[in-house]
Amino acid sequence: DQQVKQNSPSLSVQEGRISILNCDYTNSMFDYFLWYKKYPAEGPTFLISISSIKDKNEDGRFTVFLNKSAKHLSLHIVPSQPGDSAVYFCAARGSGGSNYKLTFGKGTLLTVNP
Amino acid sequence: DAGITQSPRYKITETGRQVTLMCHQTWSHSYMFWYRQDLGHGLRLIYYSAAADITDKGEVPDGYVVSRSKTENFPLTLESATRSQTSVYFCASSESLGRSSTEAFFGQGTRLTVV
Repeated sequence: DQQVKQNSPSLSVQEGRISILNCDYTNSMFDYFLWYKKYPAEGPTFLISISSIKDKNEDGRFTVFLNKSAKHLSLHIVPSQPGDSAVYFCAARGSGGSNYKLTFGKGTLLTVNP
Repeated sequence: DAGITQSPRYKITETGRQVTLMCHQTWSHSYMFWYRQDLGHGLRLIYYSAAADITDKGEVPDGYVVSRSKTENFPLTLESATRSQTSVYFCASSESLGRSSTEAFFGQGTRLTVV
């Protein structure tokens, strides 16, 4: 059963506009959430994270929002740039003995058009 | 160079052969992971390790074997390769995780084709 879901396989936005990528999770034991960005033929690279004790974390053009009651998080990119075109993975980590492993969603392909 | 490296980058093997994918990190990170990426499945955890000689199964461990005799190395072995193991494999590592968690750093991946 998929515990981290990214229901939009792809998203296309215009340069300069906002990109919103969504992620839902089912496991209430998850307490830390991360977003990774992946270009073709490269490994995923860390983008931004948020702890479950917060509802927002911002880093430059990237902001992650967490709604624990809805088990939902989103990544906002403002303004979007063509170089942001990549696959974005949402990941979650649980608490407890095996809390160091990350569970990933299937990814969303973001295309930013010039 | 510092970082996490995987070898080989590309590998073609025949069904039934044993193949080992190598992963080496220079940060002395405690934790290491193997993921596979497949279309429609995202990144799925195969095996992970908290320290030398400590390994555990992930989501899709069948057909794979790992070892961790040294902190910096975490090889993944396909004992008898099958076509369903054709995939892109990513190794990752991270520091000890506490409340202020750190992210996992990924290698560039190994594209494995089983024919």
